[in-house]
Amino acid sequence: ETGVTQTPRHLVMGMTNKKSLKCEQHLGHNAMYWYKQSAKKPLELMFVYNFKEQTENNSVPSRFSPECPNSSHLFLHLHTLQPEDSALYLCASSAWGGAWETQYFGPGTRLLVL
Amino acid sequence: GESVGLHLPTLSVQEGDNSIINCAYSNSASDYFIWYKQESGKGPQFIIDIRSNMDKRQGQRVTVLLNKTVKHLSLQIAATQPGDSAVYFCAETDTQGGSEKLVFGKGTKLTVNP
Repeated sequence: ETGVTQTPRHLVMGMTNKKSLKCEQHLGHNAMYWYKQSAKKPLELMFVYNFKEQTENNSVPSRFSPECPNSSHLFLHLHTLQPEDSALYLCASSAWGGAWETQYFGPGTRLLVL
Repeated sequence: GESVGLHLPTLSVQEGDNSIINCAYSNSASDYFIWYKQESGKGPQFIIDIRSNMDKRQGQRVTVLLNKTVKHLSLQIAATQPGDSAVYFCAETDTQGGSEKLVFGKGTKLTVNP
């Protein structure tokens, strides 16, 4: 395993629901990331946190709300999502947040929005 | 548009053969490239990386070649095994706009036939 865990692994939600995705890394890293992986599209970076501070928001709609209470935990709060938001949501971490670093990915949360 | 893409979406090889997966990039300023492997139900896993001051780097059964003249990256897998079946992504650093982030290609699905 990579040292990055994500829960839940699968999630089905209606468009009016509110849910949260959780990511935890056990690698002692200081940077954490959320990516969206849709079918037939490249991985899309959503958010980057470095030392608990958000350093990147890649024009993500406000219905996605990240939270990073400490360097080991990252959440993605979801509300009033659309069916096109159905995708695999991947969390990753790296040591310092530099682009030269290896990012370690979790297994992802498969989200289906009905 | 995307700055990283792949020449072939699928590749099928016989067990024991060598595999070559190609990737084209358009950003001549990119200075760091990574190959990731994603098996079914898992997140991307780092395979090998290369910096722009190199044209070749070898790992265990894998070799990455970088041709900056034609902006081409390839991953060679020697003696391909069934466990190599996965989707392979190339990624590059994108330093435009002051932010350093990985930009991923769409991926090539490698199938190894026994």
